[in-house]
Order: sequence, then structure tokens, then C-alpha cells
Amino acid sequence: AQKVTQAQTEISVVEKEDVTLDCVYETRDTTYYLFWYKQPPSGELVFLIRRNSFDEQNEISGRYSWNFQKSTSSFNFTITASQVVDSAVYFCALTSSNTGKLIFGQGTTLQVKP
Amino acid sequence: DTGVSQNPRHKITKRGQNVTFRCDPISEHNRLYWYRQTLGQGPEFLTYFQNEAQLEKSRLLSDRFSAERPKGSFSTLEIQRTEQGDSAMYLCASSLAGTGAMNTEAFFGQGTRLTVV
Repeated sequence: AQKVTQAQTEISVVEKEDVTLDCVYETRDTTYYLFWYKQPPSGELVFLIRRNSFDEQNEISGRYSWNFQKSTSSFNFTITASQVVDSAVYFCALTSSNTGKLIFGQGTTLQVKP
Repeated sequence: DTGVSQNPRHKITKRGQNVTFRCDPISEHNRLYWYRQTLGQGPEFLTYFQNEAQLEKSRLLSDRFSAERPKGSFSTLEIQRTEQGDSAMYLCASSLAGTGAMNTEAFFGQGTRLTVV
């Protein structure tokens, strides 16, 4: 069975602090994709990143960075110098079938205070 | 094209009534997904289409739920005889996939929030 666990339910930081959102996944498949989505109060899930299981290189995009470690089945997301606009619910997701069906974690609510 | 569009954004209905939601995917996308999201939870897969064919349905999709995607364009999700437990956000997503290949990332609409009273 596949599973995604986001153990942090809510995180609150003050603007300009760095924050890391944790994601741990379970799958028996050797080929899979991991994703992060952002869900602002408007409700729409906004795609942030996709990473395949054969690419363990960390990625940086502006203030966002992702650390993928197969050895610990983790795909953590770090926001550097957080801003109020980063406040949202963040979801980690996994797919390993050709259907593209996503298995989501429960989400982490990030509140960035001014 | 501005992305995935869902209508209505909000729907309040009385228990026992039927409701229908519409999703217009990104035009060149051949895959369309429906998910359900309840408060404080991540989205859960309901069903998906490749072109007009419905290829997988979750066990969450009871007999009261039906989805269609005529002509492989827009899709509708109908819930018959609604129950209070159906209250949730219904999300639609679309993606582009080649034959036998892992598809691109899915893009989501803003969802339809259903409240059954």
C-alpha cells in the first residue's frame, strides 16, 4: 500500500524565518513521483514541484528548496525567509502508477506572521 | 486557456436532492481526475478519465455517484440522493499523458464546495 505522512499538522513562524515541512512516504514501487502542492484559502491546489524516484538531486527555486532522500523515504520542503504570502496548506503527494492517481498526505498548515 | 475551471464554486443542497458539478480541463489535457477533500484532510481520489473513457473508480465512489466525460472534453460529477456525509470540496484536475507513459503534473481547479443540509 502507498502512504504519505505529513506529521506536522500546523506550523507558525514569524516572517523571515526559515521553515521546513516534512514528508515521509511509503511505496513498494521502484518508479514513482513525488509532488508538493500549495493550497491557499481560495482552495485551488497550486503545483510546486515534481521529482521522480531516480533523481535524488536537491532542487532550489528561489526561496523554495526540496530535499529528497530515498534512504529515509523523505521529501522535505524548505521555505527560506518566509513571507506572509506563504501562509497556506501544503500537501505532499505520491504517484507510482501510470494512471497518475495521486496519494496525498494530510497537509501542513503554515502560518507566517508579520 | 486559463486553467482548470469548475462550476459552481459553491452548492448548498437539501439532503436527498441530486447535484451535478462541471469541470472544464485544460484544453490539450487528455486525463481528467476527480478528488474529494474534507476539512483538515488531503484530497482523496475518486475517479479518472483518459479522453472519454473512465478507467478507474475508487471504492469511495458509491453507486450514488456517477461521472461522465462525453467527447473527452468537460466532465460532470453527479451525486444522487445526497447525504450529509457528502459535504466536502470536490476537486477536478487535468494532465497530459502519452500512451504507457507517466503523465505530467496535474493541474487543479478551485473546486466545488458542497454543503448538504
